Amino acid sequence: SQKIEQNSEALNIQEGKTATLTCNYTNYSPAYLQWYRQDPGRGPVFLLLIRENEKEKRKERLKVTFDTTLKQSLFHITASQPADSATYLCALDVGYNFNKFYFGSGTKLNVKP
Amino acid sequence: EAGVAQSPRYKIIEKRQSVAFWCNPISGHATLYWYQQILGQGPKLLIQFQNNGVVDDSQLPKDRFSAERLKGVDSTLKIQPAKLEDSAVYLCASSNSQGVPTYEQYFGPGTRLTVT
Repeated sequence: SQKIEQNSEALNIQEGKTATLTCNYTNYSPAYLQWYRQDPGRGPVFLLLIRENEKEKRKERLKVTFDTTLKQSLFHITASQPADSATYLCALDVGYNFNKFYFGSGTKLNVKP
Repeated sequence: EAGVAQSPRYKIIEKRQSVAFWCNPISGHATLYWYQQILGQGPKLLIQFQNNGVVDDSQLPKDRFSAERLKGVDSTLKIQPAKLEDSAVYLCASSNSQGVPTYEQYFGPGTRLTVT
């Protein structure tokens, strides 16, 4: 069956450390992969998009890698801050003639001061 | 730039009743999505519009859910009749798929539906 897996357990880290979140998928060959941030009671907010022919993408303290052989994306937040505490969702574009995104269940990140 | 607007923010209904949600996407965004997000899960795509045409509704329970996007702008999602398992947050999102598409989805705040 088709699956997108993110760590269901919360990730607890200390302020200043690097947070690494994982998104694994099976039975897909996505053209794009997105990462979103979701705060309680709010809709997801787009962070980064990475294409299948890109190995790495950076934006300020954020870095995303995309390994189509391992079928895995890693999302890194360097120098983490308590304000980074949120749920992070990955979304895969599984469409053919049009973009169609399937989301993982998200990983909750807690950054402690 | 105004964001995606949704209303109502909260709705409580009894099972077998009907409910409708409204979404106003970002001006100029051709693609509109409705997602269902059950507590502890990621958003699940229900239906996707390109302008006023349906691109994908393969995961929409068509026996009880319907959606329309008249004039390619606002959209409504309806549930009739509601079941207990429909309790969730219903998220509307839009994206600019014309010109050079970025596929970035802009989400509204969602409507939290509770079916009792």
